Amino acid sequence: DTEVTQTPKHLVMGMTNKKSLKCEQHMGHRAMYWYKQKAKKPPELMFVYSYEKLSINESVPSRFSPECPNSSLLNLHLHALQPEDSALYLCASSQESGLASDEQFFGPGTRLTVL
Amino acid sequence: DQQVKQNSPSLSVQEGRISILNCDYTNSMFDYFLWYKKYPAEGPTFLISISSIKDKNEDGRFTVFLNKSAKHLSLHIVPSQPGDSAVYFCAAKYNFNKFYFGSGTKLNVKP
Repeated sequence: DTEVTQTPKHLVMGMTNKKSLKCEQHMGHRAMYWYKQKAKKPPELMFVYSYEKLSINESVPSRFSPECPNSSLLNLHLHALQPEDSALYLCASSQESGLASDEQFFGPGTRLTVL
Repeated sequence: DQQVKQNSPSLSVQEGRISILNCDYTNSMFDYFLWYKKYPAEGPTFLISISSIKDKNEDGRFTVFLNKSAKHLSLHIVPSQPGDSAVYFCAAKYNFNKFYFGSGTKLNVKP
């Protein structure tokens, strides 16, 4: 199984809603990532979990709250978002073998629209 | 400020010819470079990579060239096929978990 799955595929939410994005992989990868991608822009790193611990937070606003319940799952909890947070949210995983050659495997993304 | 740049947003090539996608970077600390391919409604998929200690890596129809002095890498696809039509992202890293992506080049291979 070389797949990273993300749910939901699409999400529309109001600014007062609370929602969660989910990501799952069963490749035994120990690093998991959240990226945000706006149209015609590169994916921007948000968070990295390494061995279920948050290792990188790229100064993301607190209305985005990541969670890694176990080595296969990664959640992104959303609360009080702004319309400018509308984007494609990509999850990725990598082996974390300590080698520079570890590549990332991406999920298909969740298309988020904040009204 | 973007540390990895792809200055051509799009490229159109005839089937069977060579496609050359370019990428420039600014951070001399980058030690590994990757190319990803993305179809609509899918996440990026890994294509080919190169370590900073090499200047060329080949995998079938795909070859990546690295020119460290110019801080430039390129992806060559020969021969190009219509199924290669996608958005191609260049990425670089110097920290095991921190990847920097270019803004992508949309390749269209015409039959």
